[in-house]
Amino acid sequence: AAGVIQSPRHLIKEKRETATLKCYPIPRHDTVYWYQQGPGQDPQFLISFYEKMQSDKGSIPDRFSAQQFSDYHSELNMSSLELGDSALYFCASSASDSEQYFGPGTRLTVT
Amino acid sequence: SQQGEEDPQALSIQEGENATMNCSYKTSINNLQWYRQNSGRGLVHLILIRSNEREKHSGRLRVTLDTSKKSSSLLITASRAADTASYFCATDAYGGGADGLTFGKGTHLIIQP
Repeated sequence: AAGVIQSPRHLIKEKRETATLKCYPIPRHDTVYWYQQGPGQDPQFLISFYEKMQSDKGSIPDRFSAQQFSDYHSELNMSSLELGDSALYFCASSASDSEQYFGPGTRLTVT
Repeated sequence: SQQGEEDPQALSIQEGENATMNCSYKTSINNLQWYRQNSGRGLVHLILIRSNEREKHSGRLRVTLDTSKKSSSLLITASRAADTASYFCATDAYGGGADGLTFGKGTHLIIQP
């Protein structure tokens, strides 16, 4: 069965640079979520989109923005990167108020 | 605010034994989900239990939900070495919509062969 696809899987950036993470949801899933998981931490919800509109907002920094496109894929844009942004970034998708299925994550390292 | 809290934080048992993990939460929920995560890897969805359900089974997994106590438990029976992982509960707050999940701190389960 198709799963959530995230790219890239690993990303190394320097401080103050910009990064873009991509997420391709499971086919026919209309909702996309973004989470951040720091080392040894539980995942923290950042933002979600339903039918290309922002739905819910969590602890997403103002330096980050995201959008969902007409083909339902989503991109998380991160600017002015800080060392503390080093984390695993997960995308999840769901079909209207059902289970959220997570992608393999993007490991971002900021040096 | 921190929603789910898991108990215990770490659990080590012998292969074949049963493992029980508990989760407490603070607000009203639509549903509660359990996930497994192997070190540094993705989150694997295990089971979802809705607020109007009290117990659910899936293979060797049994989940209970007590909304009056705002708590849930995950039981893994006949544990195997491959069950070694971190287990998280995650709540979907009451209110509908595409709400983000609030995760607990997780229980790190080690199955000794």
